[in-house]
Amino acid sequence: AQRVTQPEKLLSVFKGAPVELKCNYSYSGSPELFWYVQYSRQRLQLLLRHISRESIKGFTADLNKGETSFHLKKPFAQEEDSAMYYCALSANSGYSTLTFGKGTMLLVSP
Amino acid sequence: EAGVAQSPRYKIIEKRQSVAFWCNPISGHATLYWYQQILGQGPKLLIQFQNNGVVDDSQLPKDRFSAERLKGVDSTLKIQPAKLEDSAVYLCASSLEPPSYNEQFFGPGTRLTVL
Repeated sequence: AQRVTQPEKLLSVFKGAPVELKCNYSYSGSPELFWYVQYSRQRLQLLLRHISRESIKGFTADLNKGETSFHLKKPFAQEEDSAMYYCALSANSGYSTLTFGKGTMLLVSP
Repeated sequence: EAGVAQSPRYKIIEKRQSVAFWCNPISGHATLYWYQQILGQGPKLLIQFQNNGVVDDSQLPKDRFSAERLKGVDSTLKIQPAKLEDSAVYLCASSLEPPSYNEQFFGPGTRLTVL
């Protein structure tokens, strides 16, 4: 069975500081990894997925299979980045079933 | 395009009562998901439909929960009878057919409180 661990419930930083939201996973196969984000009073939405190798809103995430990690990074945090971030894993079994972590709340202070 | 629609947005019931939630996915999305999100937790998949067939219901408490997706479009999730521990936000999501890296689009959720 797969598992996603986000060790931090809350991460508080000042505007302009670097941000790293940690995500570790447990899965014996080759997973698809995602970061979903929920801003205040908005729906849960996709931020980025590792297969796209893209940078969204300045965020990047690299899949490290050796460390089974998919940490989310941004060099300079903005106040509008404040939100709940969820790391999720799909077992790549043909159906896109997602297993979510418990989430990390990011608070960016001015 | 219109997003995933869910109703009601809020529901308060007493334990042992029944409740039903409705979801209308994005037009053309073959895959529909129901998630349960308990406070402080990430969403947990309850059931996944591919068109009107079930592809994963391994985490659905089948003694009290049921779901259907008639005609491969709208879906309803029912709880009968409800327990206190069913208090949660119930999220509906939809996506295009696999592969597994397809984005899931979420609805606003239904917040259920069981007293």
